Amino acid sequence: GDSVTQMEGPVTLSEEAFLTINCTYTATGYPSLFWYVQYPGEGLQLLLKATKADDKGSNKGFEATYRKETTSFHLEKGSVQVSDSAVYFCALTRNTGGFKTIFGAGTRLFVKA
Amino acid sequence: GAGVSQSPSNKVTEKGKDVELRCDPISGHTALYWYRQSLGQGLEFLIYFQGNSAPDKSGLPSDRFSAERTGGSVSTLTIQRTQQEDSAVYLCASSPPPGALEQYFGPGTRLTVT
Repeated sequence: GDSVTQMEGPVTLSEEAFLTINCTYTATGYPSLFWYVQYPGEGLQLLLKATKADDKGSNKGFEATYRKETTSFHLEKGSVQVSDSAVYFCALTRNTGGFKTIFGAGTRLFVKA
Repeated sequence: GAGVSQSPSNKVTEKGKDVELRCDPISGHTALYWYRQSLGQGLEFLIYFQGNSAPDKSGLPSDRFSAERTGGSVSTLTIQRTQQEDSAVYLCASSPPPGALEQYFGPGTRLTVT
């Protein structure tokens, strides 16, 4: 079945460091890929998405590129801030035959000042 | 506009009791999802409704769990004979008509079974 695998956390970085959170997936067909973020005490919210191979999603300085050849959707940010401290979830949704979404386990990010 | 709302925000119940959790999706959203998030874990898919189609119940962990969606809007997740392992945050999300795919989440209901 479909699955999403994320790097385990927590990830601890200093402010202005470069961030990569790895995400790989297994799915039949051509799913859409997402990153959701959950800030402390808040609900999940969409961070960015990509709907087809080679698409790059971007938002708030975060980027992720849909790589079909490596079945990956790694999240990157060039310079993190303390306010980026949160839990990040990678997810996939099939585009046909129903829209069931599979989430990764989440990666907690701590950014130190 | 109003986002996804869920009630109650917190529920403490005794083992063996039944509970009902409510979700009000964003107006006009045709898809509705229920997930369970246990402490320190990812999101576990429970059930998905899309318009008038039969729901995808493939994630419900046992026959103690059921959900309905009335009039294509409000949804209720019911857990019968609750067990301690049912303790978790139950999240509801909705999506616009097919094609959008991204989900808008409610704040969740924290269920504690004592």
